[in-house]
Amino acid sequence: ETGVTQSPTHLIKTRGQQVTLRCSSQSGHNTVSWYQQALGQGPQFIFQYYREEENGRGNFPPRFSGLQFPNYSSELNVNALELDDSALYLCASSPPGTSYNEQFFGPGTRLTVL
Amino acid sequence: AQSVTQLGSHVSVSEGALVLLRCNYSSSVPPYLFWYVQYPNQGLQLLLKYTSAATLVKGINDFEAEFKKSETSFHLTKPSAHMSDAAEYFCAVSPPGANNLFFGTGTRLTVIP
Repeated sequence: ETGVTQSPTHLIKTRGQQVTLRCSSQSGHNTVSWYQQALGQGPQFIFQYYREEENGRGNFPPRFSGLQFPNYSSELNVNALELDDSALYLCASSPPGTSYNEQFFGPGTRLTVL
Repeated sequence: AQSVTQLGSHVSVSEGALVLLRCNYSSSVPPYLFWYVQYPNQGLQLLLKYTSAATLVKGINDFEAEFKKSETSFHLTKPSAHMSDAAEYFCAVSPPGANNLFFGTGTRLTVIP
């Protein structure tokens, strides 16, 4: 069984640029969540996608947007990058039918904004 | 509002000693609770979860945690630390019906040989 995968592993961008991060959910999982983990902090919830629709959003501005595809994979897009966007971006998937929101995390994409 | 407090950003133990990592939560209703471990430059791995069944939860690698409603705590323990346990540990809560996890700020565990 393949776990959650993310690409790329590392990315360097400059301020003002746009970036797209990708996530493939674990087999059979239909819900994908994205988190931002700044250095020395715990992960912060960005948003969740279920059946290709946004299903909840944390306290992040609209320049953070996402997509989910029919195969349940997902993208996170960030426009107008700022220095504070430098972080580890984690994708997590959840299986259907669980009430307790168990989430399985990928290895993350390390984004550096210069 | 949900919040998670992990007391002690750094904990050091000797190899073979007891590991105790503290987690307290605030929630209007008993939430679901999780402990994750993060090794350097890696994602989060689930150690164990509390889903309102048994209050003493056993996880992987001999870790366990006890849900204490009266103390709003979910402390993580391991009887005997191993060098490979050195990592960052995160406590997380999910209120019933929520679609996301709220994480603490993490505790870095160092194991001294």
